[in-house]
Amino acid sequence: NAGVTQTPKFQVLKTGQSMTLQCAQDMNHNSMYWYRQDPGMGLRLIYYSASEGTTDKGEVPNGYNVSRLNKREFSLRLESAAPSQTSVYFCASSSGTSGNTIYFGEGSWLTVV
Amino acid sequence: QQQVKQSPQSLIVQKGGISIINCAYENTAFDYFPWYQQFPGKGPALLIAIRPDVSEKKEGRFTISFNKSAKQFSLHIMDSQPGDSATYFCAARMQNTGNQFYFGTGTSLTVIP
Repeated sequence: NAGVTQTPKFQVLKTGQSMTLQCAQDMNHNSMYWYRQDPGMGLRLIYYSASEGTTDKGEVPNGYNVSRLNKREFSLRLESAAPSQTSVYFCASSSGTSGNTIYFGEGSWLTVV
Repeated sequence: QQQVKQSPQSLIVQKGGISIINCAYENTAFDYFPWYQQFPGKGPALLIAIRPDVSEKKEGRFTISFNKSAKQFSLHIMDSQPGDSATYFCAARMQNTGNQFYFGTGTSLTVIP
């Protein structure tokens, strides 16, 4: 059971380049999320998708776009990378029902130089 | 604005001691409070969770204490072991706004032998 799978694991980008982080879950979950983790800042929500066909901004959406491709897949795109976007990115999913929790992928380490 | 405030930022405990991590929130719309454990290079993983209609939940050496009137909850790790050394995040879920999860800033726990 793979759970939440995200790619790539590591990426180095030059300022201004674009890239897409891919995420897929095999738990038939309705809700999916993208978080970034920075030292001393905890996990901050970038975008989320409560259900297939919907996406909403989280706490720190600027500089990012997302696509909920289908129920399984939720991608995060950086259109013009900036050094401030150097971070560890986590995709996560949840069934969305009462009492259910959130499951995380292994993370994607992104460095923008 | 940090929706969930967590303290301390770091904690050092002797093996066999009790580790205590505290969290506080303001929004009464939160309906579910999980704790996550994260090892270096890995994604956060669910440790234990509680609903606000329960004052305490225990699973093995891990206990959540919940004070609804004070809007505070804490994680107690009894008989702390070196293998418990990790970063711990408290979180709160708001189901009525798209099942969003808000995280504390994390506590780095070190258990020394």
